[in-house]
Amino acid sequence: DIQMTQSPSSLSASVGDRVTITCRASQGISSWLAWYQQKPEKAPKSLIYAASSLQSGVPSRFSGSGSGTDFTLTISSLQPEDFATYYCQQYKSYPLTFGGGTKVEIK
Amino acid sequence: EVQLLESGGGLVQPGGSLRLSCAASGFTVSNYAMNWVRQAPGKGLEWVSGMSGSGGRTYDADSVKGRFIISRDNSKNTLYLQMNSLRAEDTAVYYCAKDRSATGSSGMDVWGQGTTVTVSS
Repeated sequence: DIQMTQSPSSLSASVGDRVTITCRASQGISSWLAWYQQKPEKAPKSLIYAASSLQSGVPSRFSGSGSGTDFTLTISSLQPEDFATYYCQQYKSYPLTFGGGTKVEIK
Repeated sequence: EVQLLESGGGLVQPGGSLRLSCAASGFTVSNYAMNWVRQAPGKGLEWVSGMSGSGGRTYDADSVKGRFIISRDNSKNTLYLQMNSLRAEDTAVYYCAKDRSATGSSGMDVWGQGTTVTVSS
């Protein structure tokens, strides 16, 4: 199985900050990677797929990069509605696997 | 509008069974890969089961293999998860999610609101 490791597990940031979250795969997954945002008591929401493609309707301050084993989700200017937990997920092969999540909190 | 609506969750005793349903609207479930993903209280996301589009090939996490069965009814445009031999560790919110492709190779773009399963005596 492909293990996905996110870092950090949590971070505190202020509105307007640039935020970077890292995801590492235990083996190469090319660009078969997605990012999701989840707010408390809500279903996850798709942000990024194919490592860097923005889901329709998602603000352009979100971006993804990377390929192979190392990936990054960047929020260029953090907004109040961005405080949430973020997950990466590989879909190169079954079983599909998620990272442990990164909780973005208000500083 | 593309939507998924789960139902069927509830309280069940250890060893019991439950069937979850996921009614789709705005698209045809047999044209896309579909998945069940769960989230235990206070924990992260865990993929549970998946089914490919046209071929209907199924996949399961080791944690549920032999106990859970994913299926679909094309006439009802509905995905199911039959859960047998339930354990306390199966307690979670269960989400169904649509993949962008028929093969499951494009990530999940639409999620239901979730249904809660509690396994307890």
